[in-house]
Amino acid sequence: EVQLMESGGGLVQPGGSLRLSCAASRFTFSSYWMHWVRQAPGKGLVWVSRISGDGRSTGYADSVKGRFTISRDNAKNTLYLQMNSLRDEDTAVYYCARVADQHDSSGFDYWGQGTLVTVSS
Amino acid sequence: DIVMTQSPDSLAVSLGERATINCKSSQSVLYSFNKKNYLAWYQQKPGQPPNLLFYWASTRESGVPDRFSGSGSGTDFTLTISSLQAEDVAVYYCQQYYITPYTFGQGTKLEIK
Repeated sequence: EVQLMESGGGLVQPGGSLRLSCAASRFTFSSYWMHWVRQAPGKGLVWVSRISGDGRSTGYADSVKGRFTISRDNAKNTLYLQMNSLRDEDTAVYYCARVADQHDSSGFDYWGQGTLVTVSS
Repeated sequence: DIVMTQSPDSLAVSLGERATINCKSSQSVLYSFNKKNYLAWYQQKPGQPPNLLFYWASTRESGVPDRFSGSGSGTDFTLTISSLQAEDVAVYYCQQYYITPYTFGQGTKLEIK
């Protein structure tokens, strides 16, 4: 079965940086768009960013544009989210997710368990 | 951005009864070229990641019980559970993937009455 496993979360001070990783397995990673979605404690889901299978196309929510960078290493089957200039409001569980359809925009059929990022002084 | 609005925010239904959750988008998510609605539904239980129930508004994901159904088109969508089971207690989200940012509804918390 498809597996996604996030890592890299933790406690960071406002203005700091963190890099999240999402290790993918049991599917052809390079064939799928991948996304990051976050969820603040007790709150709803918020889409953060996406990247195409070849890494050439990316997109970001306005709230993270210019501060976060999504990337991937298809040789390592790993997705990344570089987060800079972190703010209190970035505190959340961050999920990586795979699209259900290789050929079109789609819902997200596989999600990791999430990694908690806490921004606090 | 497309705003997704779910109603109600919370819902209490008796076991075996029907539960209905609505989702309205601020603009159509129906792509005229392929006649597909770019709308998904998720179920999230406490401490777990979301679980995809439907995509293209009404295409049931593998493994989802057939008591769940998705319907609607354009801007108005509905998730229906025909006969509520105890394991259906969760928060349900709709999401549009028509255009980035891929916005979610605020969630509907479903409980047992």
